This record gives sequence, structure tokens and C-alpha cells, in this order.
Amino acid sequence: AQSVTQLDSQVPVFEEAPVELRCNYSSSVSVYLFWYVQYPNQGLQLLLKYLSGSTLVKGINGFEAEFNKSQTSFHLRKPSVHISDTAEYFCAVSVAGGGNKLTFGTGTQLKVEL
Amino acid sequence: GAVVSQHPSRVICKSGTSVKIECRSLDFQATTMFWYRQFPKQSLMLMATSNEGSKATYEQGVEKDKFLINHASLTLSTLTVTSAHPEDSSFYICSGRRGDSGANVLTFGAGSRLTVL
Repeated sequence: AQSVTQLDSQVPVFEEAPVELRCNYSSSVSVYLFWYVQYPNQGLQLLLKYLSGSTLVKGINGFEAEFNKSQTSFHLRKPSVHISDTAEYFCAVSVAGGGNKLTFGTGTQLKVEL
Repeated sequence: GAVVSQHPSRVICKSGTSVKIECRSLDFQATTMFWYRQFPKQSLMLMATSNEGSKATYEQGVEKDKFLINHASLTLSTLTVTSAHPEDSSFYICSGRRGDSGANVLTFGAGSRLTVL
């Protein structure tokens, strides 16, 4: 079985500062990795995904993430955050060929302050 | 892009009644739909996977007789919470996968917040 760990439940950051949201996963088989964003009382929106190929993945809204197989990590980064980035961010994993069943981390609340 | 519409966005019901939540894929055919449940400040927990025209597959610990899932067409899946109780209050989210999707990308609905009084 797979598992996803997001160690930081909350990350406060000032506007225009860089941010990194950490994600580590555990799996005995190949996985696909995802980051989703959830705004209050809304569903999830895909930020980016890693399926294969280049380990540096660029997504929407200026976010990027790097897959590190040796460290089993998929940290999300943004060089300069905006107030509108305030939201809950979920890291998720699915098993390659596993029918798209996603296992989510517990989420990280990013709070951008002026 | 692919859009999934979920309705209602909010519903309040009395204990013992049943509530139906609809999930529609508006511009694609969703051969597979996933239903998730999210408790406040927690992650999403997969409840069941439904494939069009067949019975849903429920995750361990999810009562299939309480959470009835129907996926009768390629664009519509429904979740019915039967004889709802306050502990069923939660945020329910569906997601659809395109039949031709090779990119393992799901499209999520906006969620339905159920409050059982």
C-alpha cells in the first residue's frame, strides 16, 4: 500500500516570499505523483503531476515540484507567493497502472500574509 | 478543459432521511467515477470507485448499503446517503476519469457539504 506524508499542517509566509511545501511518499511499486489545491468549500484543482520523464515538473500558477526518487519526495515550490495562493494543498500518489486510485496526504494549509 | 459538476453544493437534512448527490461530467465521458469523503481539516478518503454500467467497488470500512452509488451513464454518477445521521455530515467530493485518459488525470467536482441535523 502507498502512503503520503505532508509533515507541515500549516505554512505561513509573507507575500512575494518563496515557499516550499513538503511531501514524502512510501510505495513498493512505481507511482505517479500529484499536487492539488483546494480553496475553501471547493473541490480540488490539479496543480501539477509527475508521471515519468523530467523530474522537475512545472504546473499552473507558477508552481513547480521536483520528484526525488532516492528521497521519495515530491516537494512543491513557488519562488514568489501571492495572497491568492492561500489555500489547502494536497499531495497525492497513485500506483502506476492502478486505475487512478489516489491516496492523499493530510494537506498543508498555506497562508500568505501581507 | 474537462469539467465535473456536482450538485447540490450544500444540503441540510433531518436525521433518518436520504440524500442524493449528483456528479456530472459536462464535456467528457467519465468511464470511472470516484467518490471521496473529507472531514474538516482532514484529507480526502476514497469511499468507492464506480465504473459505468457496473457495481461500485467500495473501500474497506465503507458501508455499501448506506452509501449507494449509481453510475448508470457515462456522464452521471450519484451517491445516495441513506438514513443519514449526524455522523454522516461531511464534505463529499466526486471525480471523474476520461475513458480515453492515458494521463491519469482526474477532474474533481466542487464538492457537496452535507449537514445532518
